[in-house]
Amino acid sequence: GEDVEQSLFLSVREGDSSVINCTYTDSSSTYLYWYKQEPGAGLQLLTYIFSNMDMKQDQRLTVLLNKKDKHLSLRIADTQTGDSAIYFCAESTDTGFQKLVFGTGTRLLVSP
Amino acid sequence: DSGVTQTPKHLITATGQRVTLRCSPRSGDLSVYWYQQSLDQGLQFLIQYYNGEERAKGNILERFSAQQFPDLHSELNLSSLELGDSALYFCASSVDSLASPLHFGNGTRLTVT
Repeated sequence: GEDVEQSLFLSVREGDSSVINCTYTDSSSTYLYWYKQEPGAGLQLLTYIFSNMDMKQDQRLTVLLNKKDKHLSLRIADTQTGDSAIYFCAESTDTGFQKLVFGTGTRLLVSP
Repeated sequence: DSGVTQTPKHLITATGQRVTLRCSPRSGDLSVYWYQQSLDQGLQFLIQYYNGEERAKGNILERFSAQQFPDLHSELNLSSLELGDSALYFCASSVDSLASPLHFGNGTRLTVT
C-alpha cells in the first residue's frame, strides 16, 4: 500500500539550514515531489526527483533520496522568513496514471 | 502563478445543496486531477481525467461527480452536501506522462453550514 509520513513541525532561525524529512512505503514509486503551501494559497511545486537518482540540487534546495530506506529529504539552505509554509512530499507510482500520494505536511516556521 | 485557474475561490452553502467547482488547466495540459484537502484527511486524490475521459478514481464519494469538457476545462459537482464536505478542493493539471509533474491551482474553499 501507499503511505507517506512526515514530521508535523520544524522551527529554525533565519539563515540556518532546514531539513524536512519524509518516508514512504511504496517501493514502486517512480517520482517523488516536494510541494510548498503558503497560507491561503495552492500547492507550489518546488522540485522533484526520479527514483533512480540519489540527489538533486536546485539553487537553495537539495533533495536527497535513499531508496533502500525509502527516505526523502529536502534541505533548504540559508532559510528565510519567506520560506515559512507547509511542505508536502508526495510519491507517484507507476500505475499507468499519475496519481500522487501526499504526506501530512511539515509546517516550517522560520524566526528572525 | 501555476497557470491553473479555479473558480470560485470561496463558496458557502447549506447542507443538502449542490455546487459546481470549475477548473481551467494550464495551456497544453491534457490531464486534470481533483484533490480534496481537509484537516482530518489531509490531501486526498478524488479523480483524474485525461482528454475528456475519466482515467482514475480515488476516494471520491458517490455524491460527487466530475467531467472534462472538449476545451479541457473540468467541473467537479458536489451534491447533497454535508458538513463534513467542507474542505479546500484543488484542481491540478499535467501534460500526462510520468515525467510531468502536477501543477496545482489555488483551490476553492467550500464551507457547508
